[in-house]
Amino acid sequence: ETGVTQTPRHLVMGMTNKKSLKCEQHLGHNAMYWYKQSAKKPLELMFVYSLEERVENNSVPSRFSPECPNSSHLFLHLHTLQPEDSALYLCASSQDSKTSGAPFFGPGTRLTVL
Amino acid sequence: SQQGEEDPQALSIQEGENATMNCSYKTSINNLQWYRQNSGRGLVHLILIRSNEREKHSGRLRVTLDTSKKSSSLLITASRAADTASYFCATVGAGGATNKLIFGTGTLLAVQP
Repeated sequence: ETGVTQTPRHLVMGMTNKKSLKCEQHLGHNAMYWYKQSAKKPLELMFVYSLEERVENNSVPSRFSPECPNSSHLFLHLHTLQPEDSALYLCASSQDSKTSGAPFFGPGTRLTVL
Repeated sequence: SQQGEEDPQALSIQEGENATMNCSYKTSINNLQWYRQNSGRGLVHLILIRSNEREKHSGRLRVTLDTSKKSSSLLITASRAADTASYFCATVGAGGATNKLIFGTGTLLAVQP
């Protein structure tokens, strides 16, 4: 695996539940990302954080709420999700949000919304 | 959009054969990257090729980039069963404010032992 860890690896939740996904990077990077990977669709960028500041929000519904308390940790808070939100949620980090290098991805959290 | 599109969607070959996957995109890019994903796992970065480069090698991997045709190819030589995975291309647009990767839908490669 990479220097990016995600917990939990699997999550099943009902539509009325509130849960959080956690990502931690051990690479000293300053930028962190959330991506969503749905079946048969390309990976979609959800949020970009640079030095704990959100620099991009790709029209993500408000039922997804990101939080970046420091440059090593990134959360995705979930509430009142829909079944179509079931997907693999991938966290990534890179040295910064502007340099066009390759981000490192975590293993993902497989989310199922019932 | 600048979405990359991989071709073919699925590829099945025998061990030892070469596998070629293609990617097309729509707008100007800063660089193009190839990733590998084993079933249900995270993405592993394979190789990055910048817009002013035409070919790069890394071990058994060879990537080409043709910016005039807005296309790239990934060649895996002497394939192994362990190469079985999904392969994605992703582009970073030229002049973008952030390091935003736009992914394609991927090619599923199956290498039969």
